[in-house]
Amino acid sequence: GQQLNQSPQSMFIQEGEDVSMNCTSSSIFNTWLWYKQEPGEGPVLLIALYKAGELTSNGRLTAQFGITRKDSFLNISASIPSDVGIYFCAGCFGAGANSKLTFGKGITLSVRP
Amino acid sequence: SQTIHQWPATLVQPVGSPLSLECTVEGTSNPNLYWYRQAAGRGLQLLFYSIGIGQISSEVPQNLSASRPQDRQFILSSKKLLLSDSGFYLCAWSRGGAGCETQYFGPGTRLLVL
Repeated sequence: GQQLNQSPQSMFIQEGEDVSMNCTSSSIFNTWLWYKQEPGEGPVLLIALYKAGELTSNGRLTAQFGITRKDSFLNISASIPSDVGIYFCAGCFGAGANSKLTFGKGITLSVRP
Repeated sequence: SQTIHQWPATLVQPVGSPLSLECTVEGTSNPNLYWYRQAAGRGLQLLFYSIGIGQISSEVPQNLSASRPQDRQFILSSKKLLLSDSGFYLCAWSRGGAGCETQYFGPGTRLLVL
């Protein structure tokens, strides 16, 4: 089946630093999604990407849909303590009822004040 | 705007007891609905999805079942809970009828089986 690779499992950065997270796969996806999950809550959508090469920003967040359709990255600039959480990438392939969303295992981000 | 609710937020159940978790969506019609389990705060495992009332697809064999008695209601059940059923259960919805739509998650239910 399709798998998404997110590594490392954890990242530790200093407040104010920029951080980049990658998500890779051997499979092609039609849609890439990035979610953030805080402890005890459901994942919240950060950015959705629908076209190869697409670059989208949401405040301090920027994400890109890789040109090969097999990868995506998420950048967070000028990190702040509330950026702490687990960041999941998700890729979707297929159409209609046969479309499936595959999740990476997530990266836990810690921000030191 | 659309909202998704899950009930209860937290549940502690003995082994062998039944389970019923509820998910409801507001502000949309004919959504696709999903149940995920997340173990140890990481990794989302798709358990069931539904494209319409009474239509349930199971992704993995397990001790759980799902039902969709109404368009915007999705229920996760078990007749007899196992210790391994403990985890964080997430319901999600997406627009129906199309492919590769964004999924939106509910707040989750934390289940502890003792």
